[in-house]
Amino acid sequence: QSVLTQPPSVSAAPGQKVTISCSGGRSNIGNNYVSWYRQLPGTAPKLLIFENIKRPSGIPDRFSGSNSGTSATLVITGLQTGDEADYYCGTWDSRLSAGVFGTGTKVTVL
Amino acid sequence: QVQLQESGPGLLKPSQTLSLTCSVSGGSMNNDVYFWSWVRQPAGKGLEWIGRSATSGITDYNPSLKSRVSISVDTSKNQFSLRLSSVTAADTAIYYCARGTASTYNWFDPWGQGTLVTVSS
Repeated sequence: QSVLTQPPSVSAAPGQKVTISCSGGRSNIGNNYVSWYRQLPGTAPKLLIFENIKRPSGIPDRFSGSNSGTSATLVITGLQTGDEADYYCGTWDSRLSAGVFGTGTKVTVL
Repeated sequence: QVQLQESGPGLLKPSQTLSLTCSVSGGSMNNDVYFWSWVRQPAGKGLEWIGRSATSGITDYNPSLKSRVSISVDTSKNQFSLRLSSVTAADTAIYYCARGTASTYNWFDPWGQGTLVTVSS
């Protein structure tokens, strides 16, 4: 079972905004950076956000990350049908000395 | 740009050892900034971090798999490998290799396309 908790699903209409939370603890999100990944059906995960707030080259600014204490948040604005996917947060857990991922959130565009 | 590609047997019997290789192209592995990592995903489930190795040989493993897993890097071949012993049906998953970063940062980019490993008698 994952040490990072995400809502199973979120949904919104095209053009709207969705917010995905990632809840952890002091040994993981509280003391390490968070990254976010998008996994389209049948494909490998793709890095969306790293070091809490940074976007890799090619990722539009519709995707933004933030971090507060032991939780992190991914916000997607201007939702598009192509954003329908599973989204995962990830970080390092200093107590486990291991990488950890969130439980995953399915985004549905209504 | 760096690309990763997994290879290895897709079907194993219980108690056998899973061996996968990840070939790295488009760049050298000789960079202490990166950790060469494995992640798996059972069908319909979430991502599970397996472990990682630096080119120096320093490794970290998922505590739940530590007794069965080994990751090694061969910079001369620009490859890194995963070995998981005594597999069971619970090890059936898509296995991804990925380039990762140091602990506190721990982000993964790029990823291989993944390879399905099925454990069945």
